[in-house]
Amino acid sequence: QSVLTQPPSASGTPGQRVTISCSGSSSNIGSNYVYWYQQLPGTAPKLLIYGNNQRPSGVPDRFSGSKSGTSASLAITGLRSEDEADYYCAAWDDSRSGPGVVFGGGTKLTVL
Amino acid sequence: QVQLQESGPGLVKPSETLSLTCTVSGGSIDNYYWNWIRQPPGKGLEWIGHFYYSGRTNYNSSLKSRVTISVDTSKNQFSLKLTSVTAADTAVYYCARGLGVEVTPPYYWGRGTLVSVSS
Repeated sequence: QSVLTQPPSASGTPGQRVTISCSGSSSNIGSNYVYWYQQLPGTAPKLLIYGNNQRPSGVPDRFSGSKSGTSASLAITGLRSEDEADYYCAAWDDSRSGPGVVFGGGTKLTVL
Repeated sequence: QVQLQESGPGLVKPSETLSLTCTVSGGSIDNYYWNWIRQPPGKGLEWIGHFYYSGRTNYNSSLKSRVTISVDTSKNQFSLKLTSVTAADTAVYYCARGLGVEVTPPYYWGRGTLVSVSS
């Protein structure tokens, strides 16, 4: 059971807008930055969003992130076939039982 | 551009110690948080822990009793040791670096190395 909750799957057709949600708590998303990663099959995770809504150099502006309270979202506009991948959210967790980085369980995005 | 490369045995016997090294190029190992993350086959990402150059460490509470992360600044490397491994420790292991001096999820990642635990 992951600390951050994501839907296991999402889908869309080419050109559509798709959103992936990530739900947490006051000790993680509620008080720290959210990161989003894209993982293509057989490859390492690639950073898409950091600091809730910042894109690293080279990441298309079709990808955007937002945060409200203890939840965050990743939006992908102009969906393309190459966007088919697993997506993970992550945040630092200030939990007294053991601070650390926590991940969502991942969302598999299918481009129909 | 910072680059990270994991290295170590691809096969470890049950009850033995898993040892991996991450070599950092394109930047100094001073400053930043240096992380290890793993991903069992077909499953999600699990943070193992990190080391800050000042000596501060944080470990996943579920692995804390078996994990040690250390840094060798002379070689620009950091390492992971996981003791008493079982088949459940079979995973792709990634080393990664944070963006700045704050505790955040990793920014730069290595390509990962598969470690299988089997006799």
